[in-house]
Amino acid sequence: NAGVTQTPKFRILKIGQSMTLQCAQDMNHNYMYWYRQDPGMGLKLIYYSVGAGITDKGEVPNGYNVSRSTTEDFPLRLELAAPSQTSVYFCASSYSGTGGYNEQFFGPGTRLTVL
Amino acid sequence: DQQVKQNSPSLSVQEGRISILNCDYTNSMFDYFLWYKKYPAEGPTFLISISSIKDKNEDGRFTVFLNKSAKHLSLHIVPSQPGDSAVYFCAASGPYDYKLSFGAGTTVTVRA
Repeated sequence: NAGVTQTPKFRILKIGQSMTLQCAQDMNHNYMYWYRQDPGMGLKLIYYSVGAGITDKGEVPNGYNVSRSTTEDFPLRLELAAPSQTSVYFCASSYSGTGGYNEQFFGPGTRLTVL
Repeated sequence: DQQVKQNSPSLSVQEGRISILNCDYTNSMFDYFLWYKKYPAEGPTFLISISSIKDKNEDGRFTVFLNKSAKHLSLHIVPSQPGDSAVYFCAASGPYDYKLSFGAGTTVTVRA
């Protein structure tokens, strides 16, 4: 049972480049989330999904896109990378999404630098 | 607009003593509160939680206290151990919220 896995661990992008951050979970969780953490700040929600085929915006969705074709995978796409997207990105999952009553399990993170 | 605030960025405590981490929130609709622990280069892991119907929840060395009238919660770690050195995030959620609102975190260093 690997939990939540994320690839890559590190990535440097040039301004304007695109990339996809991969996230997978093997816990059969319905709910999946993408957060970003900037230095000295808490985690901010980018997008979330309540099940395959259903996604919705979080607090800071601009510049990102997501898809959820399977229960296991929830990739995050950056289309035109900007320096403001330099951050650490965490993927998380939970069995249910009702508030905090269901613990969210986090992946190890992807550290992205845009130069 | 940060709805969950951890005003102490860091805390240093001697091994064996008590660590007290504080968290304030502004949204009166929040009814569930969690603490997460994060080591460098790892994702946050769930530590302990408390529902708004309680004012205290205990799990081993970790106790969370909730003061609803003051919109304040605290995490007590007794006794503190070197392995407790980490960043601790306070998080909160309202009914039917899909998201958690996180504080900025407090870095705890336990000195031998």
